[in-house]
Amino acid sequence: SQTIHQWPATLVQPVGSPLSLECTVEGTSNPNLYWYRQAAGRGLQLLFYSVGIGQISSEVPQNLSASRPQDRQFILSSKKLLLSDSGFYLCAWKGESNQPQHFGDGTRLSIL
Amino acid sequence: EDQVTQSPEALRLQEGESSSLNCSYTVSGLRGLFWYRQDPGKGPEFLFTLYSAGEEKEKERLKATLTKKESFLHITAPKPEDSATYLCAVRTSSNTGKLIFGQGTTLQVKP
Repeated sequence: SQTIHQWPATLVQPVGSPLSLECTVEGTSNPNLYWYRQAAGRGLQLLFYSVGIGQISSEVPQNLSASRPQDRQFILSSKKLLLSDSGFYLCAWKGESNQPQHFGDGTRLSIL
Repeated sequence: EDQVTQSPEALRLQEGESSSLNCSYTVSGLRGLFWYRQDPGKGPEFLFTLYSAGEEKEKERLKATLTKKESFLHITAPKPEDSATYLCAVRTSSNTGKLIFGQGTTLQVKP
């Protein structure tokens, strides 16, 4: 069966520091991958998605970037974090055609 | 612009008191409507996919229905463990699989 892993679960970072969040998927090949941010009490905002290795699409202009160095690995990065980057970050994957997206358990990021 | 709106924002029920959550959508072309359950501090858990008006799906105490403009998540005789945030999302592109989410309905079921 397929599983998705995100780490770390929680992260506290100072303003101006770099960021790297990692997401890996097991048990499937060539998945679509997604990064979302969820503000407190709000819905999910799509940040990036990828339909293949090295293919990244950005949904909103921001201080973040994404990369997909391997088929089942998706990384969210920042060179210098802002206070506004705080939030709950979720990674998701989708298989073929019109299957649903499946989510990891997220990373709670706090910027001080 | 594609849009998804959920109501109410919050709902409090007594155990056994049935109710419905609403998800209304405006999209250029629907490629599926998805319901998720999210517990605090966790990622959303997939519940149902609906593709066409008139379609219905059931799972335990939950039943999802779809019309051309909205979807309902009916909760029959809820239990405290049904307390969670329920998210609705629509897909307009099969190639990218992107989802547009509503803001969610937070359900609290009291014993």
